[in-house]
Amino acid sequence: DIQMTQSPSSLSASVGDRVTITCRASESISSYLNWYQQKPGKAPKLLIYAASSLQGGVPSRFSGSGSGTDFTLTISSLQPEDFATYYCQQSYNSQMYSFGQGTNLEIK
Amino acid sequence: QVQLVQSGAAVKKPGSSVKVSCKASGDTFSNYAINWVRQAPGQGLEWMGGIMPVFRTTNYAQKFQGRVTITADDSTSTAYMELRSLRSEDTAVYYCARDEITTGPRFFDYWGPGTLVTVSS
Repeated sequence: DIQMTQSPSSLSASVGDRVTITCRASESISSYLNWYQQKPGKAPKLLIYAASSLQGGVPSRFSGSGSGTDFTLTISSLQPEDFATYYCQQSYNSQMYSFGQGTNLEIK
Repeated sequence: QVQLVQSGAAVKKPGSSVKVSCKASGDTFSNYAINWVRQAPGQGLEWMGGIMPVFRTTNYAQKFQGRVTITADDSTSTAYMELRSLRSEDTAVYYCARDEITTGPRFFDYWGPGTLVTVSS
């Protein structure tokens, strides 16, 4: 199975900050990497697919990059509504999806 | 618009089974796989398995092999997830999520609201 490891597990930041979350795969997954945002009590929401493609309706302050085993999610200027938990997911093996453990983004 | 509507919360005894439903609307059911993802209290997302109704094929995470069965009813555009031999550690919110069956990148673009399953004696 492909293991996904995110860092950091938690992060404190302020409104307006630039934030980067990383995700590492245990083997190469090309660009088959997705990012989701989850707020308390809600279902996850797709932000980025295929490592760098922005899902429709998602603000342009979100961006993704990377390929192979190392990926990043960047929020260019944090807004109050961005404080949430973020998960990466590999879809290289679509018969056995896997998620990272999550990164909790908190207000400083 | 696309909607995934899940069955309501359930309370189950240890050792029993639960069956959660996920009814899709707003798009062609056969174009998509339906996946099941669970989230224990305060924990992360865990993919359990999925079904491609058009091919009648299922895939399961190794952790749940032999204890979970995912099925689909094309006539009602509904997918089901049955988990057996429940234990307290199975207390979680269970989500269904769809992904388009394609040779390109796959991702979960629509999710159900989640179904809380509580396992307690």
